[in-house]
Amino acid sequence: AQSVTQPDIHITVSEGASLELRCNYSYGATPYLFWYVQSPGQGLQLLLKYFSGDTLVQGIKGFEAEFKRSQSSFNLRKPSVHWSDAAEYFCAGRNNAGNMLTFGGGTRLMVKP
Amino acid sequence: NAGVTQTPKFQVLKTGQSMTLQCAQDMNHNSMYWYRQDPGMGLRLIYYSASEGTTDKGEVPNGYNVSRLNKREFSLRLESAAPSQTSVYFCASSGLGVASYNEQFFGPGTRLTVL
Repeated sequence: AQSVTQPDIHITVSEGASLELRCNYSYGATPYLFWYVQSPGQGLQLLLKYFSGDTLVQGIKGFEAEFKRSQSSFNLRKPSVHWSDAAEYFCAGRNNAGNMLTFGGGTRLMVKP
Repeated sequence: NAGVTQTPKFQVLKTGQSMTLQCAQDMNHNSMYWYRQDPGMGLRLIYYSASEGTTDKGEVPNGYNVSRLNKREFSLRLESAAPSQTSVYFCASSGLGVASYNEQFFGPGTRLTVL
């Protein structure tokens, strides 16, 4: 079955530190992959997406993600976290012939001053 | 350009009551979606509409009905609410259809509590 897994439910980092949020997928073929961010009380905003080509994709707000087929992963990274990055982050996937996004369970990021 | 709007923002129902959640988008998108969000489970698709006049079941459709009223509006109805339907509901839309890689744009959500 197609699935997206985010192993970390909560992560706390210090402001200015680097960040990596993990995402693993299970799809038969190369999926379309997305990272969304949800601030408290808000809807979801797309950070970045991967369909094909360059495996390192750049997104908004200084985020990037790397697609690694060998590890079935699509981890989100940021070199220096800001307090405003505190939010919940969702990885999502879809196969190229499908019609539904499958979301991971989310990772809540807290940023220490 | 408001994007995706949802009403109401909050709602409390008693078991067995009915209600309709409204969603509208002003981006001329073809496809619209209803999700529910529960802690630790991400978002799960309830129903979607690939285009005006069509609707299809998602992952968790039981207990819900939908209506694609026109291209702009997509409503979600709970005929007889149950406590298990306590959740945050999100509407989303996308431009090029469900099978495209176009991103989905989300509304702000409706927080529903069923007592």
